Amino acid sequence: QVQLVQSGAEVKKPGASVKLSCKASGYTFTEYAVHWVRQAPGQRLEWMGWINADTGITKYSQNLQGRLTIARDISANTVYMELSSLKSEDTAVYYCARGHYPGDYVLLLFWGQGALVTVSS
Amino acid sequence: EIVMTQSPATLSVSPGERATLSCRASQDVRSNLAWFQQKPGQAPRLLIYVASTRATGIPARFSGSGSGTEFTLTISSLQSDDFAFYYCQQYNNWPLTFGPGTKLEIK
Repeated sequence: QVQLVQSGAEVKKPGASVKLSCKASGYTFTEYAVHWVRQAPGQRLEWMGWINADTGITKYSQNLQGRLTIARDISANTVYMELSSLKSEDTAVYYCARGHYPGDYVLLLFWGQGALVTVSS
Repeated sequence: EIVMTQSPATLSVSPGERATLSCRASQDVRSNLAWFQQKPGQAPRLLIYVASTRATGIPARFSGSGSGTEFTLTISSLQSDDFAFYYCQQYNNWPLTFGPGTKLEIK
């Protein structure tokens, strides 16, 4: 079965960077894009970006352009999300998610369990 | 970017009754609209896509309708497991955007 297993919670100081991982299993890793979506406490979900796991091509939200890097390691079936210059507003649960079918970049069917990132001095 | 709004913010319904949740897009998204259910401490779960197609394993009591800018999620005969937050999401334009959610609570 499809599984996306994320790394654990992180606590960071303002200005630092955080790097989260999302390990995929149960499907052919390179056939699907993987997205990152975050949810600040009590807020709506916010799409951050995706990576084509085959080509490594990425697309980012303009709101996070310049601070967000999504990468993948095909040998490890793992996608990484790094967010730099952290602010308190980046405190959120971060999710990775996979599309519905190969070549699908918009339907978020499978989700990781989420990882809480707390930014606090 | 397309702004999604949802109403009501909170909906109180008794088990066994019908719930109707609304979602509006700030511009035409055609039928490129999904609905998610989220329970506290859990990841969202895809319920509906293309405005009215149920995802695999979603019970028939969940139905979606609408196109353009106005959409509805209907849950007939509410069960205890259905009380949760519901979010709509448009995927017609980048960036993907979500509504603020409707909390469906037990009356």
